[in-house]
Amino acid sequence: NAGVTQTPKFQVLKTGQSMTLQCAQDMNHEYMSWYRQDPGMGLRLIHYSVGAGITDQGEVPNGYNVSRSTTEDFPLRLLSAAPSQTSVYFCASSRGQTNQPQHFGDGTRLSIL
Amino acid sequence: AQSVTQPDIHITVSEGASLELRCNYSYGATPYLFWYVQSPGQGLQLLLKYFSGDTLVQGIKGFEAEFKRSQSSFNLRKPSVHWSDAAEYFCAGYNSGGSYIPTFGRGTSLIVHP
Repeated sequence: NAGVTQTPKFQVLKTGQSMTLQCAQDMNHEYMSWYRQDPGMGLRLIHYSVGAGITDQGEVPNGYNVSRSTTEDFPLRLLSAAPSQTSVYFCASSRGQTNQPQHFGDGTRLSIL
Repeated sequence: AQSVTQPDIHITVSEGASLELRCNYSYGATPYLFWYVQSPGQGLQLLLKYFSGDTLVQGIKGFEAEFKRSQSSFNLRKPSVHWSDAAEYFCAGYNSGGSYIPTFGRGTSLIVHP
């Protein structure tokens, strides 16, 4: 089925470890973005991309890196995990080059010990 | 700061009753506004969006929202709620002339009683 696929669904890390959250979409959408969702808060934008080779920072980019080598994939890297990065992470995509997130993945639940 | 506010953390309605979820925005220029629904353990699903034009916007699942510039509001409505509508609802928006970084409200949890 067409959509946004995130892996893994769950992950537990130790402080200082690094990891990559994967996001792939098969709708040929130009726009992809990463959000984090914390209890009692709405989503906050981490990084976004308007096409392959183009990325930019969102509201809360510190501690995260992204790259966009293909239209389909937009991985999010945690360089050195911190407990403050414990959250649920969502990847989203949309058609066009403005941020109108239309399709979301089911999320990655990340715990940092 | 430009933002979106959802004043109600929880709303409880009876099945079959009408629903209105509130959303207020503070953008200087004409905003782009959205409503999303999130079921437990799922990602967000776009219900509807407003960019310009007709201030009454129809969405999926029988939802509609009305943009009222005079009240800085974009409230979500449904005439008759079904038990399956129980979920978390998020309002979001950004300034049409700005950085295109959307701001999300904190969400309203809808509880539906049988």
